[in-house]
Amino acid sequence: DAKTTQPPSMDCAEGRAANLPCNHSTISGNEYVYWYRQIHSQGPQYIIHGLKNNETNEMASLIITEDRKSSTLILPHATLRDTAVYYCIVRVEDDFGNEKLTFGTGTRLTIIP
Amino acid sequence: KAGVTQTPRYLIKTRGQQVTLSCSPISGHRSVSWYQQTPGQGLQFLFEYFSETQRNKGNFPGRFSGRQFSNSRSEMNVSTLELGDSALYLCASSPTGERTGELFFGEGSRLTVL
Repeated sequence: DAKTTQPPSMDCAEGRAANLPCNHSTISGNEYVYWYRQIHSQGPQYIIHGLKNNETNEMASLIITEDRKSSTLILPHATLRDTAVYYCIVRVEDDFGNEKLTFGTGTRLTIIP
Repeated sequence: KAGVTQTPRYLIKTRGQQVTLSCSPISGHRSVSWYQQTPGQGLQFLFEYFSETQRNKGNFPGRFSGRQFSNSRSEMNVSTLELGDSALYLCASSPTGERTGELFFGEGSRLTVL
């Protein structure tokens, strides 16, 4: 019941900006968009999150469209260490008022030397 | 500051047995969540505990249970193991317990059921 759609895989040349898209067309007004990544055999790592304004931190930038139906994670200067599965997540509230993160299948990003 | 610690890292069980996994959150974190990761289903939410109370629960059978102690450490138990329970079980802690905020994940416990 994931509420996000991501391409299954992407390649990016080392040193270039990696732009990872995510569609979340059914997002509600008070739901945040989160991005995590998972490097092979490790636990997921938080990257960034946002509500409606663009956000930037030391790892990445998050661009959210004005209608909030999609977003893009930008890794400005990709390195080989950025090869991972990237998850775009909307914090979902079910019919019982319970909230949880639903991860979906993510985008496997491969950085090419 | 120590990260989220999960034990054991690897274990092998046989069908019908039960297993208990442990998670020590980052010091000061009061919320602990558990996830199951398999190649076919991806990352699936199991449950979340905050201040010793189960606050959220995913769509897993009653064989999957958990608890949280007063020091915020958490355990999850799976009874009557099935082959399909083979997975990486991930624990994550959160500092505030508020329903926004980042999760800090451990390295996981990899369970193999034979």
